[in-house]
Amino acid sequence: DIQLTQSPATLSASIGDRVTLTCRASQSVDEWLAWYQQKPGKAPKLLIYKASNVQRGVTSRFSGRGSGTEFTLTISSLQPDDFANYYCQQYRHSPWTFGPGTKVEI
Amino acid sequence: QVHLQESGPGLVKPSGTLSLTCSVSGGSVNSYYWTWIRQTPGKGPEWIGTIRFSGDTNYNPSLKRRVSISLDKSDNHFSLKLTSLTAADTAIYFCGRSPLGDYVDYWGQGTLVAVSS
Repeated sequence: DIQLTQSPATLSASIGDRVTLTCRASQSVDEWLAWYQQKPGKAPKLLIYKASNVQRGVTSRFSGRGSGTEFTLTISSLQPDDFANYYCQQYRHSPWTFGPGTKVEI
Repeated sequence: QVHLQESGPGLVKPSGTLSLTCSVSGGSVNSYYWTWIRQTPGKGPEWIGTIRFSGDTNYNPSLKRRVSISLDKSDNHFSLKLTSLTAADTAIYFCGRSPLGDYVDYWGQGTLVAVSS
């Protein structure tokens, strides 16, 4: 199985900060990577698919980059609603796998 | 707007079978792919398996001997069966829609299943 690692595990930031989260894959997944946001007690919400495509209805403050084994999710200007857990998922090689997450906190 | 809702027992005995249903509204299970994912607190989600509108399935090998996903087009829902349960199967179970059997763009709210005697 492809292992995904995310860094940092926890990110402390302030409103208005530009933050970048990283996801690394144990082998190439090309651009077949998605990012999700999850708040406590809720289902994950799709933010980005195919590494850099913003899901319809998601604010343009979120952007994704990368290919192969290294990917980033950037929030351009952190807002109160953005404090949450963020997970990456690869869908290049079955079984699809998720990373352990990055918690963005104040 | 597609809406998904999981239903099923919240408590199942060890060695028993878990049966969950995901009811779909605002869309038809006769298209797209339909997925089950689970998550234990504080961990990343775990993909269980996906069924295509044609009935073709793809399961996580770690669960393959115990899992079955089926589709009911007449009632517009899909279902999960997981057998030989242990405490390690205690988790929140989510159903979702996958555009091409890949990522999940619509999710159910999730249902907590505890395996305990």
